[in-house]
Amino acid sequence: DIQMTQSPSSLSASVGDRVTITCQASQDISNYLNWYQQKPGKAPKLLIYDASNLETGVPSRFSGSGSGTDFTFTISSLQPEDIATYYCQQYDNPALTFGGGTKVEIK
Amino acid sequence: QVQLQESGPGLVKPSETLSLTCAVSGYSISSGYYWGWIRQPPGKGLEWIGSIYHSGSTYYNPSLKSRVTISVDTSKNQFSLKLSSVTAADTAVYYCARPGDGYSHGIFDYWGQGTLVTVSS
Repeated sequence: DIQMTQSPSSLSASVGDRVTITCQASQDISNYLNWYQQKPGKAPKLLIYDASNLETGVPSRFSGSGSGTDFTFTISSLQPEDIATYYCQQYDNPALTFGGGTKVEIK
Repeated sequence: QVQLQESGPGLVKPSETLSLTCAVSGYSISSGYYWGWIRQPPGKGLEWIGSIYHSGSTYYNPSLKSRVTISVDTSKNQFSLKLSSVTAADTAVYYCARPGDGYSHGIFDYWGQGTLVTVSS
């Protein structure tokens, strides 16, 4: 299995802050990496696919970068509605795996 | 618009088999895509269970493979999950999902609302 190590597990930031989450794969996954947002009681929502492609309709303050084993997800200016848990997920291997999640809170 | 809806018992006894169905509307399963099951224990992260292609070919999470069966019924436009020999550790919200339009198998863009299954006697 490909292990996905996501950090931090939680963070607290102020509205308007730049927020960065990292995800490291246990082996090279090229750019087969997605980012999801999950709000309490809701299904995950796809934000970024193939490491850096913004899903249609997702605000441009969300972005992703990286390839190989190291990936970054950024919220350029944190908004109150961005309070959620964020997950990375690889699909290089047919056995898909998710990172452990990052809970984002407002300071 | 593609919609997915999970259904099945909300309570399953230990050692029994968990069975869930995902009804699909707005798209014919037989037209393509891998259809997946993902679960989330209360307060924990997401775990992919497995995926099935419309033809019936499957991929399973290696950690669950010995207990999981995913099948598809194109006549009813639905696919199903069976997880045998369940324990309390299988208590979770179970989601069914599909990749986005034109997306590869692992990019889930359509999700059901999820259904909570509790394993308890």
